[in-house]
Amino acid sequence: QKEVEQNSGPLSVPEGAIASLNCTYSDRGSQSFFWYRQYSGKSPELIMFIYSNGDKEDGRFTAQLNKASQYVSLLIRDSQPSDSATYLCAVRNAGNMLTFGGGTRLMVKP
Amino acid sequence: GAVVSQHPSRVICKSGTSVKIECRSLDFQATTMFWYRQFPKQSLMLMATSNEGSKATYEQGVEKDKFLINHASLTLSTLTVTSAHPEDSSFYICSADRGFGAFFGQGTRLTVV
Repeated sequence: QKEVEQNSGPLSVPEGAIASLNCTYSDRGSQSFFWYRQYSGKSPELIMFIYSNGDKEDGRFTAQLNKASQYVSLLIRDSQPSDSATYLCAVRNAGNMLTFGGGTRLMVKP
Repeated sequence: GAVVSQHPSRVICKSGTSVKIECRSLDFQATTMFWYRQFPKQSLMLMATSNEGSKATYEQGVEKDKFLINHASLTLSTLTVTSAHPEDSSFYICSADRGFGAFFGQGTRLTVV
């Protein structure tokens, strides 16, 4: 089992819809969780991080964390074609090691 | 603005030559930096962890004599691809951890001809 798992996609949503990206992790002692966005040919950029159970909102983005179920998700409201990218989930474990998932490719169709 | 700067962004070299890529942390000290490689349409692959003042830690399958890493200061790590071959052509990305997340350099697109 991989430490951080994501569906590779592509996840296709129409413009204006909510895109839901999911990530599961295996280390129950993980402390903090990050979402990165990577456009084709570019390096990843940090868009959100979350430490506590529940929701964290930042503009059109909402990160959701459920430590009991060991999953973290990213919701993108009012999806735009410019949101089309690969979204990487990263988890920092109890040993302070940051591990990345394989990423989910999101396609927002006009 | 960028917190990690990587240079060059693009390089083309001949087979058999060596290429050096620099990664600098801006405005903060990074005792640890990470080097990744990414092939087209594939995920990030961690190559090695660069430790300031000590030897780098390489992931399984990564040749340490081919990918030389030097982390001589708290703000600079370098990756040298020695005796490059066409199969080394890839996107190389460095990152430094600031505690509240890893920040990535702009990446270096290496093409070996």
